[in-house]
Amino acid sequence: NAGVMQNPRHLVRRRGQEARLRCSPMKGHSHVYWYRQLPEEGLKFMVYLQKENIIDESGMPKERFSAEFPKEGPSILRIQQVVRGDSAAYFCASSPRGRRPDTQYFGPGTRLTVL
Amino acid sequence: TQLLEQSPQFLSIQEGENLTVYCNSSSVFSSLQWYRQEPGEGPVLLVTVVTGGEVKKLKRLTFQFGDARKDSSLHITAAQTGDTGLYLCAGATSGGGADGLTFGKGTHLIIQP
Repeated sequence: NAGVMQNPRHLVRRRGQEARLRCSPMKGHSHVYWYRQLPEEGLKFMVYLQKENIIDESGMPKERFSAEFPKEGPSILRIQQVVRGDSAAYFCASSPRGRRPDTQYFGPGTRLTVL
Repeated sequence: TQLLEQSPQFLSIQEGENLTVYCNSSSVFSSLQWYRQEPGEGPVLLVTVVTGGEVKKLKRLTFQFGDARKDSSLHITAAQTGDTGLYLCAGATSGGGADGLTFGKGTHLIIQP
C-alpha cells in the first residue's frame, strides 16, 4: 500500500518563477494537508483540502500561494513569483476522514530552493 | 495561538541509557501525535494518544498523554543508536479553528555508541 507521494522531491526556481508542488494521498484518503518547514523551525500548517474543496486555508500566506485538490489527480500547491523566503521543505499529509481526532500520514516532502 | 513547547531541544546520551522528552502546552488538544523525522525525509508517525492519562507502548518507547490533555511525554528505555533522530509532537484541536496539526519544534536526539 503506497504511502503519501510527493513530487518533485527537490525543486529549484529563480526569483519570480512559479513553483508547483504535487501530492498524491494514500489510497483511500480523501483529505489532504499542506505544511511548510523552514530551517530551524517546526512544521507550520498551511491549508486543508478535501476533493474540490478548500476547508481551511488559515495558514496560507495571503498572496502568491494557492492550493487545489481536484476531483481527479493530485493536490497541487502553487507558489507564484517565488522569493528567497519561500525556500523551505513543503510537506503534504493525508488522512482518511479528516475528523478530529485523526491521524495524518506525511509524504517525503519537496525541498524548494529559490535562487 | 496554540503553542507546543518541546524539551529538551537537544539531547545526546550513551547507548543503553534511558531518556524522557516532553511536550507541553497551555492549550487542550483532542489528540496528540508523536512523529520521528530523519534528515531529508517526512515525519513518520509513531503513535496517536487521545484520552487524558492514556499510556501507549511501542517496544522500548512509552508515550503518555497528560490527564488534562495539555502535555505529553515520550520515554525511551535502553536507547539504541537507531533511535537517533528528530522527535516531533503535534496536537490536534477540538472544535473550531484550523484542522491542521500544531507542531512543536522537536527534540534532536543523538544516541552515541
